[in-house]
Parts: sequence; C-alpha cells; structure tokens
Amino acid sequence: EPEVTQTPSHQVTQMGQEVILRCVPISNHLYFYWYRQILGQKVEFLVSFYNNEISEKSEIFDDQFSVERPDGSNFTLKIRSTKLEDSAMYFCASLTDRGPLFQYFGPGTRLTVT
Amino acid sequence: EDQVTQSPEALRLQEGESSSLNCSYTVSGLRGLFWYRQDPGKGPEFLFTLYSAGEEKEKERLKATLTKKESFLHITAPKPEDSATYLCAVEAGGTSYGKLTFGQGTILTVHP
Repeated sequence: EPEVTQTPSHQVTQMGQEVILRCVPISNHLYFYWYRQILGQKVEFLVSFYNNEISEKSEIFDDQFSVERPDGSNFTLKIRSTKLEDSAMYFCASLTDRGPLFQYFGPGTRLTVT
Repeated sequence: EDQVTQSPEALRLQEGESSSLNCSYTVSGLRGLFWYRQDPGKGPEFLFTLYSAGEEKEKERLKATLTKKESFLHITAPKPEDSATYLCAVEAGGTSYGKLTFGQGTILTVHP
C-alpha cells in the first residue's frame, strides 16, 4: 500500500522561529497539498502545488508560508515566523491524475508554538 | 463559497445498532464528494468517492450514497473498531484540481 510520510511527527518551537515541515509524497503522484487542523476544528486547505508552482492557496497561506519541492521526492512547508495560532496538525497529501483519484494523506506533523 | 456541514457532531451507538451520518453540501459544480475516516492523532484515511446523484458505494459495513444536496454514510451493524471521526469533503468546480473542502466531521463511538 503506497503511503505519504511526514517528518517530524511533533515539532515544538518558540514564537517567531522558522519551522520546516517535510513530506515525502507517493512516488508517481504529481499534485501535492498541505492542510492543517487546529485542535477540535475542521481540516482546512492551505495550498495546492503542481508542476513546481502553487496552483491555489487559501487566505490562511499568507507571506509567512511557503512551499517547495527541493528535489524529486520531498515537499516542504515553511513557516517563516511562527505565531501561537499556527499551532495545529499539518497534513501533507498527494494525488495522481491517473487513478485512483483520491488524495492520500500523511500521518501529520503536530506543530506546537510556545 | 463552498460549504460542507455534517451531522450529528457526535454519535454513540451500541454494537450492532445501525445508523446514518449526514453530509450536506453547497458547491458551485461538484467534481466529487469524498468520505474519509480519521483516527485520533492520525491523517484522514480514504473510504469512498461519489461523483453524481444516485451513486452508491459499499465497503464492509459502510455504504455511501449521494443526492444533489447531501450524502449519507450508512453504518450497518457497527463494531467497536468502527469508532472514529468520519469526514466528508467536496471537490468543487472552479478550484484547483484536488482541492478539498471538509466538513467538521462526525465523531462515532461504538460501545460493545
């Protein structure tokens, strides 16, 4: 069974620090996504990425956020200067256009900003 | 704006007691409606995709149905291992490929 992996599983950081969350999507997938889930709230879309550029981003995804596919396997989310309200679970997901046509989600990174 | 509303927020069942979860949606052109299962501290796990009104999909004790305004996830004779949060999500026309809008989820607890 193919799977999306994410590291670290838990990241604790101080307010104002930069964090990089890492994801390894499924190898033949071409579409990549980041979502976040604040404790007790719904899963929210952050950004979609295809062909080395952002396809769409939400209002949450402001200038403090960036994404990158630095090589053929990793997909990263960087938060430049973390805020308390960035504390959440961050999920990476990937998708192919050649079936099965659903997103595979990773296990998530729990980000705690203190 | 695309919206997804799930009800009830929480559902407690006895083992073997069948029930249904509801997902109401408002989207500008539905590309697909998805059901995922989420266990505590884990990522969503895919269950079903439905594309058009009248479509039904089944997997073990679960059956998903779709109308033009809502979807139901029917659970027949549930077992304690079916306890999880069930998420409904839609992919809407006019958005980037694959972008999902999620509902709040229904927390299902099945007691032995």
